[in-house]
Amino acid sequence: DAGITQSPRHKVTETGTPVTLRCHQTENHRYMYWYRQDPGHGLRLIHYSYGVKDTDKGEVSDGYSVSRSKTEDFLLTLESATSSQTSVYFCAIRSRGEYEQYFGPGTRLTVT
Amino acid sequence: GENVEQHPSTLSVQEGDSAVIKCTYSDSASNYFPWYKQELGKRPQLIIDIRSNVGEKKDQRIAVTLNKTAKHFSLHITETQPEDSAVYFCAASRSDSSYKLIFGSGTRLLVRP
Repeated sequence: DAGITQSPRHKVTETGTPVTLRCHQTENHRYMYWYRQDPGHGLRLIHYSYGVKDTDKGEVSDGYSVSRSKTEDFLLTLESATSSQTSVYFCAIRSRGEYEQYFGPGTRLTVT
Repeated sequence: GENVEQHPSTLSVQEGDSAVIKCTYSDSASNYFPWYKQELGKRPQLIIDIRSNVGEKKDQRIAVTLNKTAKHFSLHITETQPEDSAVYFCAASRSDSSYKLIFGSGTRLLVRP
């Protein structure tokens, strides 16, 4: 499973509260990605990182921020959660020079 | 931006039959096309991929074909088995955009015993 873990695996939170999801990898991969998965939409890229402190926006970045202060951790923050952010969030990694992306186990987030 | 369309959204086949899932993409600069299989409640798993310098790739019972002129690619599963039942996603990406994946909306494959 490419040494990827996500935490928490499940979370229920209230509208307006901040939420941080963590993606942790143990194999020194350079590239890390955050996707959300919703019925009928497949997976959509939120933000990605191409190195420590190097991040960029994806297709659906509004309402989300990210940080990568060390190689192994990529954090996704919802500053003020909304019901439209109820989703399953997947982290993915890719090694430099490689094409393939491998996914973490996912975090199911419910915003009530 | 890039758009990937995937058809059909659901597919039901008899065990032993073949299944074909098709995707089209809009960005002619896309050069990498992976396919993922996702079982219920699990993560997407990469099952096969193809790069733009190749027209076809096979791995046992699965194969992917790419037509760059028409901007479409397909997944072929032969001799289907019940354990092939899952949701399959195609995706496209390009090397000059950090290989950000743009996914199709998925195909739910049901293999009837």
